[in-house]
Amino acid sequence: AQSVTQLDSQVPVFEEAPVELRCNYSSSVSVYLFWYVQYPNQGLQLLLKYLSGSTLVKGINGFEAEFNKSQTSFHLRKPSVHISDTAEYFCAVRKNSGGSNYKLTFGKGTLLTVNP
Amino acid sequence: EAGVVQSPRYKIIEKKQPVAFWCNPISGHNTLYWYRQNLGQGPELLIRYENEEAVDDSQLPKDRFSAERLKGVDSTLKIQPAELGDSAVYLCASSLGQGVGEQYFGPGTRLTVT
Repeated sequence: AQSVTQLDSQVPVFEEAPVELRCNYSSSVSVYLFWYVQYPNQGLQLLLKYLSGSTLVKGINGFEAEFNKSQTSFHLRKPSVHISDTAEYFCAVRKNSGGSNYKLTFGKGTLLTVNP
Repeated sequence: EAGVVQSPRYKIIEKKQPVAFWCNPISGHNTLYWYRQNLGQGPELLIRYENEEAVDDSQLPKDRFSAERLKGVDSTLKIQPAELGDSAVYLCASSLGQGVGEQYFGPGTRLTVT
């Protein structure tokens, strides 16, 4: 089974500051990794994903994440945040092969609040 | 292209009452998922359909929850009777292919049981 730990439940930052949202995962098999964003009263939107290849993945809205296999981490970063980035961010994993490889396992989420 | 549509967006009911949620997936998406998202938690899969067949309902509490996807398009998730602990956001998602494609999520239905 897979599990995801998002180390910070809330991250407050000022506008134009850099931010890092931390995600660690546990799995006995190889996985795909995802970051989703959930704006208030909306569904989840995919920010970026790591399937294979380069460990640095770029996504929408200026976000990027780096896959670190040795540390089983997939931290999300943005060099300069905007007020509009205020949202809940979820890290998720999925097996990349075998039975039930469609099943996403989510972390508990990190609430990013960007203050003026 | 329209996204995943869910209704109602909000529902408040008293415990022991029945409730139903409706989902219309993205056109052409044969795989449909229902998730439950408790407050302060990530979504958890309840049931997955490929076309009209429920291929994974292992996490669905079958004593009170039921789901159907007639004709392999729209889907309905029902709770009868509702309990206080069922208060959550119920999310529908859809994807292309046999479950390994990117999942697109709807806005969810926020259920409050009083």
